[in-house]
Amino acid sequence: AQSVSQHNHHVILSEAASLELGCNYSYGGTVNLFWYVQYPGQHLQLLLKYFSGDPLVKGIKGFEAEFIKSKFSFNLRKPSVQWSDTAEYFCAVSSGGSYIPTFGRGTSLIVHP
Amino acid sequence: DTGVSQNPRHKITKRGQNVTFRCDPISEHNRLYWYRQTLGQGPEFLTYFQNEAQLEKSRLLSDRFSAERPKGSFSTLEIQRTEQGDSAMYLCASSLSGQGSNEQYFGPGTRLTVT
Repeated sequence: AQSVSQHNHHVILSEAASLELGCNYSYGGTVNLFWYVQYPGQHLQLLLKYFSGDPLVKGIKGFEAEFIKSKFSFNLRKPSVQWSDTAEYFCAVSSGGSYIPTFGRGTSLIVHP
Repeated sequence: DTGVSQNPRHKITKRGQNVTFRCDPISEHNRLYWYRQTLGQGPEFLTYFQNEAQLEKSRLLSDRFSAERPKGSFSTLEIQRTEQGDSAMYLCASSLSGQGSNEQYFGPGTRLTVT
């Protein structure tokens, strides 16, 4: 069974700091990769996804993620965070033939103004 | 708002009681998923429908849990004889087949507290 690891459970940053959240998965075949975000009091929403093609994926609100197949990683980055980025971030992976993603346990990001 | 909706948003019940939750997916979406999320964890897959057919169930889905999607539109998740360990957020998501990446859209969830 595949698994997803998010190494940073809690991250605290000041505004304008750079962000990188780690995500590693254990499946060796074709994968679809996702980052979801959950803002306080809101439901999960898709931040970005990788399906195929360019391994550097750009999402909403200035976020991007890079798929490195050799490292089984899909790290999320943002060059300059804002207070409004305070949220829970979840990495998710589905194997090529499955519609069911496996989620990591999430990273709580707090951005101080 | 044409997103995924779930009712009720909160449910408090006593141990041993039965509860039922409802999910209304995005209208054109033919796939519907149920997840459970506990504090400090990501969503865990419970079951999945394509139209009215329940195609996959997780081992997490014990015999006390049952889900239906009778007309391929809304879905219900019933928990019988609730236990305190059932306390969690129950999430519903929907997606449209034919999208290669199977992007799922989530509802706000139903928070269940079993006392």
